[in-house]
Amino acid sequence: AQKVTQAQTEISVVEKEDVTLDCVYETRDTTYYLFWYKQPPSGELVFLIRRNSFDEQNEISGRYSWNFQKSTSSFNFTITASQVVDSAVYFCALSEAFYSNYQLIWGAGTKLIIKP
Amino acid sequence: DGGITQSPKYLFRKEGQNVTLSCEQNLNHDAMYWYRQDPGQGLRLIYYSQIVNDFQKGDIAEGYSVSREKKESFPLTVTSAQKNPTAFYLCASSPLGTGGYNEQFFGPGTRLTVL
Repeated sequence: AQKVTQAQTEISVVEKEDVTLDCVYETRDTTYYLFWYKQPPSGELVFLIRRNSFDEQNEISGRYSWNFQKSTSSFNFTITASQVVDSAVYFCALSEAFYSNYQLIWGAGTKLIIKP
Repeated sequence: DGGITQSPKYLFRKEGQNVTLSCEQNLNHDAMYWYRQDPGQGLRLIYYSQIVNDFQKGDIAEGYSVSREKKESFPLTVTSAQKNPTAFYLCASSPLGTGGYNEQFFGPGTRLTVL
């Protein structure tokens, strides 16, 4: 069955450290999409990135980077030189082209704490 | 400004009362969603709608009802049948286009507390 696993429930690092959030997925589909969202303490989810299954190029956006590896069914998220403002809960999600009917399958989230 | 609004931000309800949470979007998105989030947990889908006057149950629809009379609006009613309604409720919308599955955009949420 399709699912998304974020094994790290909580991560705590000191500011300026690099940190990687893991996301492992299972899918029946050959065409699918992967997402990362950020949920700051205010509660509203903020979209960070979408990746389709045919594009395995790594993505970099400022201090954020994403490593998509189909061979290991992983879509990991790295924050370089972390800052206190990065403290939030981060969710990974999956949408399958054929089976999901536009729904997202969500991971349980990783709470990231950046200490000053 | 384009976006999704939810009201109220905080809502208190007595046991046995129905209550309606508002969700409005001006993004011209076809699809709208309601999620429930419990403390320290992920998101669970309650209902979703891809077109006006049509909606589908999600994973935890029991005790909830929705309507989609207008494209911009997708209100959620928490009925007295919902045994444990205290939670954070998030509304989202997304475009439904060809060629890909698009990200969902979220409102600020409504925190419901049953007294």
